[in-house]
Amino acid sequence: DAGITQSPRHKVTETGTPVTLRCHQTENHRYMYWYRQDPGHGLRLIHYSYGVKDTDKGEVSDGYSVSRSKTEDFLLTLESATSSQTSVYFCASEDGFSGNTIYFGEGSWLTVV
Amino acid sequence: GNSVTQMEGPVTLSEEAFLTINCTYTATGYPSLFWYVQYPGEGLQLLLKATKADDKGSNKGFEATYRKETTSFHLEKGSVQVSDSAVYFCALTNSNSGYALNFGKGTSLLVTP
Repeated sequence: DAGITQSPRHKVTETGTPVTLRCHQTENHRYMYWYRQDPGHGLRLIHYSYGVKDTDKGEVSDGYSVSRSKTEDFLLTLESATSSQTSVYFCASEDGFSGNTIYFGEGSWLTVV
Repeated sequence: GNSVTQMEGPVTLSEEAFLTINCTYTATGYPSLFWYVQYPGEGLQLLLKATKADDKGSNKGFEATYRKETTSFHLEKGSVQVSDSAVYFCALTNSNSGYALNFGKGTSLLVTP
């Protein structure tokens, strides 16, 4: 398994507070992704990165921002958390060649109250 | 754009029954196709993949064949076990979306003894 770790694994926060989730990978993968998983929706792409300081929006990017200052770290920030952002967040990474395996982290459970 | 449609669940089978989970896709060009599995409380794991038409992916008794003519990638297993109970996601990657995975909504499988 690829070395992808997410932190925190579980968090409860209040509406309106900022939240940052961290993804760390030790595989020197070029591409990194943030997904959210919700019942009835499967996994939906929030943002992705194709290199240091290179990021782009995914399907459900509103209310989220990302940063990638080092190859190994990809941060997801909720500027002002809302209850609709209660979800399970998964980070993933891969080296960017078509058909290559994408590896997932264990997930971060976020509850916004 | 790219999209994946998979059969609605939940699917309930008796042990040793034959499993089929249907998956069809819409994509331009030459996507790669994947099946991922998620066990309760865990992240996603790659089950199998196929990168070009007529390729067959296989792993742990599961198989799926990339059918470009029917834009399908159906998952099959000849004899399911209780330990196969999980959620199964069909997905694709395509060069026109930064190789990010586009997921179906998932199919929950419950295998009973």
